[in-house]
Amino acid sequence: LAKTTQPISMDSYEGQEVNITCSHNNIATNDYITWYQQFPSQGPRFIIQGYKTKVTNEVASLFIPADRKSSTLSLPRVSLSDTAVYYCLVGGDNQGGKLIFGQGTELSVKP
Amino acid sequence: DAGVIQSPRHEVTEMGQEVTLRCKPISGHDYLFWYRQTMMRGLELLIYFNNNVPIDDSGMPEDRFSAKMPNASFSTLKIQPSEPRDSAVYFCASSWTSGRFHEQYFGPGTRLTVT
Repeated sequence: LAKTTQPISMDSYEGQEVNITCSHNNIATNDYITWYQQFPSQGPRFIIQGYKTKVTNEVASLFIPADRKSSTLSLPRVSLSDTAVYYCLVGGDNQGGKLIFGQGTELSVKP
Repeated sequence: DAGVIQSPRHEVTEMGQEVTLRCKPISGHDYLFWYRQTMMRGLELLIYFNNNVPIDDSGMPEDRFSAKMPNASFSTLKIQPSEPRDSAVYFCASSWTSGRFHEQYFGPGTRLTVT
């Protein structure tokens, strides 16, 4: 399983766009990149998943460069309720769904 | 759908007692996962099942921990005997098979305190 590295913490203000970058230099050919969000006292929540280029859904965008050695989660116009821990995970079909959660990035959104 | 259901939500027990945590996955999901979260170790995968069969239990800390999935709608994680270092939040999660297994749905967790 590819190891991931992401910032331990980030600060932002309401209304700003937040970009959290994750590096995964040893990503394998069949690995997908997945991001989760966790609020205090709750289980993690799936945000977005991608393989290459760009993926967008109603809450976030995921940018993956051609070499796939990193990825960036983009949260447009954050609000106070986006304060949470964000996890970047890398894994493939051959792990049968096994995901390894790292330390995550603690995002703090200020008014 | 009600989502993943876990019980109890909180459990306080004394060292040496048996603890059983319960999970009902989302109907139709093929995979079921048990995780443990502590401040020191973060979120750890303990064991996961596919179609009720245990696939990988390499994360189970020791023989005191056991997990079963007797049918597609129920799983248990048992700790016997419990120790103070088992205090943590235990999450159950479930997912589909077909290319979406990385999209896991987590339950609210069981906060276990062993005194």
